[in-house]
Amino acid sequence: NAGVTQTPKFQVLKTGQSMTLQCAQDMNHEYMSWYRQDPGMGLRLIHYSVGAGITDQGEVPNGYNVSRSTTEDFPLRLLSAAPSQTSVYFCASRGRMNTEAFFGQGTRLTVV
Amino acid sequence: AQTVTQSQPEMSVQEAETVTLSCTYDTSESDYYLFWYKQPPSRQMILVIRQEAYKQQNATENRFSVNFQKAAKSFSLKISDSQLGDAAMYFCAYRSSRGAGNNRKLIWGLGTSLAVNP
Repeated sequence: NAGVTQTPKFQVLKTGQSMTLQCAQDMNHEYMSWYRQDPGMGLRLIHYSVGAGITDQGEVPNGYNVSRSTTEDFPLRLLSAAPSQTSVYFCASRGRMNTEAFFGQGTRLTVV
Repeated sequence: AQTVTQSQPEMSVQEAETVTLSCTYDTSESDYYLFWYKQPPSRQMILVIRQEAYKQQNATENRFSVNFQKAAKSFSLKISDSQLGDAAMYFCAYRSSRGAGNNRKLIWGLGTSLAVNP
């Protein structure tokens, strides 16, 4: 039982490049979310999903796309990376009957 | 909208001593959950303790306990017998327990950095 697995752990991108952050969970959780963590700003919700085929925007969705084709996977796509997207990204999942969310190990992304 | 405030950006404690981290929140809801998460230098978010608002009894997990004051909207974390491994950033978080959409997300404080001195 691996929990929530995020890849990669570190990534450096050039401005304008695109990439996908991967997130997978093996707990059959319905809810999955992406957060970004910035110094002095705490964690902010980017996108979330309540089940396969259903996604919605969080607080800071601009510049990011998500999809949820399966219960297990919830990738986050950066369409055209910008320096303002330099951050630490966390994927989280929670079962409908769970109280707490479970987090991946985070991805430190630097856009130069 | 709900907000979470951690008024202590940094705290320090001597090994084996007790420290209390503060958290206040603002909400008009009556049903919700509160959490303390620990983030060590490894960056992993680790759940320390949780509290359901409908429970009057304060949650306890080994050396970690909370003082939940619902009327005052206060949710402090007490760490007893502090250990070097407790050094980390601690985040207080809130989640609504009902309402389409609102119960899907955590609302976070800005964190308290805890140093443990040997």
